[in-house]
Amino acid sequence: AQRVTQPEKLLSVFKGAPVELKCNYSYSGSPELFWYVQYSRQRLQLLLRHISRESIKGFTADLNKGETSFHLKKPFAQEEDSAMYYCALRWRAGNNRKLIWGLGTSLAVNP
Amino acid sequence: EAQVTQNPRYLITVTGKKLTVTCSQNMNHEYMSWYRQDPGLGLRQIYYSMNVEVTDKGDVPEGYKVSRKEKRNFPLILESPSPNQTSLYFCASSLLPGQPQHFGDGTRLSIL
Repeated sequence: AQRVTQPEKLLSVFKGAPVELKCNYSYSGSPELFWYVQYSRQRLQLLLRHISRESIKGFTADLNKGETSFHLKKPFAQEEDSAMYYCALRWRAGNNRKLIWGLGTSLAVNP
Repeated sequence: EAQVTQNPRYLITVTGKKLTVTCSQNMNHEYMSWYRQDPGLGLRQIYYSMNVEVTDKGDVPEGYKVSRKEKRNFPLILESPSPNQTSLYFCASSLLPGQPQHFGDGTRLSIL
């Protein structure tokens, strides 16, 4: 069955430290993966997707098919990065496509 | 401005009193979806709609109904709300299923 696992519920780092939010997926087909971010009291918004291979707000994420992972990384965390981060997998269900979500990781960046 | 609009933003009501949370998008998106967000449980999909008059159950559809009579609107209906439906609800839309979604601001429901 398709699954997205974010093993850390809460991640706390100091400002300027590197941060890695883990995401592992389970899917036998060709996956499409996304990271969404939700800042306090704001709506969920797309942060980045693996097919665009871009860096947004200093974050990057590389799809590792061998390890079935799509970890989100930033070399130097900032206080404004404190938010809830969700990893999502797009997969094909018959003729349809679906999105499934990880449970989220709350990132706290301390001064 | 492209947006997904939910109403109301907050609602406190009592068990059994029917309520509807509206969702409207102005992007001509085919796909719309309702989620609930609960602490420790993340986002769980309630219902989704691939197109007008096409709706399907998500992961937690019990106690909810939806309708998609027109492309822009996707209301969530709680016929007989119960306290376990107290949650934060998000509506989302995308041009096609599985594409990056635009989310509304959320509706916080409290069922007493």
